[in-house]
Amino acid sequence: DTGVSQNPRHKITKRGQNVTFRCDPISEHNRLYWYRQTLGQGPEFLTYFQNEAQLEKSRLLSDRFSAERPKGSFSTLEIQRTEQGDSAMYLCASSLAGQTIAKNIQYFGAGTRLSVL
Amino acid sequence: DAKTTQPNSMESNEEEPVHLPCNHSTISGTDYIHWYRQLPSQGPEYVIHGLTSNVNNRMASLAIAEDRKSSTLILHRATLRDAAVYYCILRDRNAGNMLTFGGGTRLMVKP
Repeated sequence: DTGVSQNPRHKITKRGQNVTFRCDPISEHNRLYWYRQTLGQGPEFLTYFQNEAQLEKSRLLSDRFSAERPKGSFSTLEIQRTEQGDSAMYLCASSLAGQTIAKNIQYFGAGTRLSVL
Repeated sequence: DAKTTQPNSMESNEEEPVHLPCNHSTISGTDYIHWYRQLPSQGPEYVIHGLTSNVNNRMASLAIAEDRKSSTLILHRATLRDAAVYYCILRDRNAGNMLTFGGGTRLMVKP
C-alpha cells in the first residue's frame, strides 16, 4: 500500500483554462475527501465521497468546480475557467468506513499545487 | 465542530520535550480531540486523538485536562523531523465527516 497518491504534483495554468487533478486513495478506503489550502492557512474542506456518491459539498465549491468518483475508486477534481484566486494546494484524503465519525482518521496525499497566472 | 485556540508558533531544542497547548473551552461532551501535523511540502498526517483519558502512541502523548477545556500534545524528544505545523481539531460524532482545521502551531526545532 503506497498511501494516497495525487497527480500532478504541480500545475501551472493561465487564467481561464480548465484543469483536472486526480487522486488515488488507499485501496480499501471507501471515503474520499478534497480540501484546499492557501499559503499560511490550514486546509479547508471542499467535498466528500462515500464510494461513488458525493455526500457533502462546501460553500467554497463554486459551480466552476466539479468532483467525480465514477467507480468508487480514484477521484478527479476539475476547475473550469480558472481564476488567480484558485491558486492553492489541493489536498485529497481517504478514510475507512465503519469507524465512528469522531474517531475517523483521514490519510492525506501530498497535494497538487496549482498556480494560475 | 467547536473552536480551538493554539499559539501561532513555538520553538524547541532538538532532543528536548515539547508541549504544544490547545484551548477548547466550548468543547462538548461528544467531541473527540484530534491532532494532525503537516510537514513541509506534505499533506497533513494523523498524530493522536482522545476523549477524556490521556493517550500515548509511538508518535506522541496527549494530555487532556480534567474539565476537557484544554489539552496538550507532548513530543517526548523533539527531532528536526518534527518541525511542522500542528493542528488541534475537535470532532463531534454527530457532525459532518470533514476535518475543520484552524491555523495550527508552527513548531521550529533548533539543532
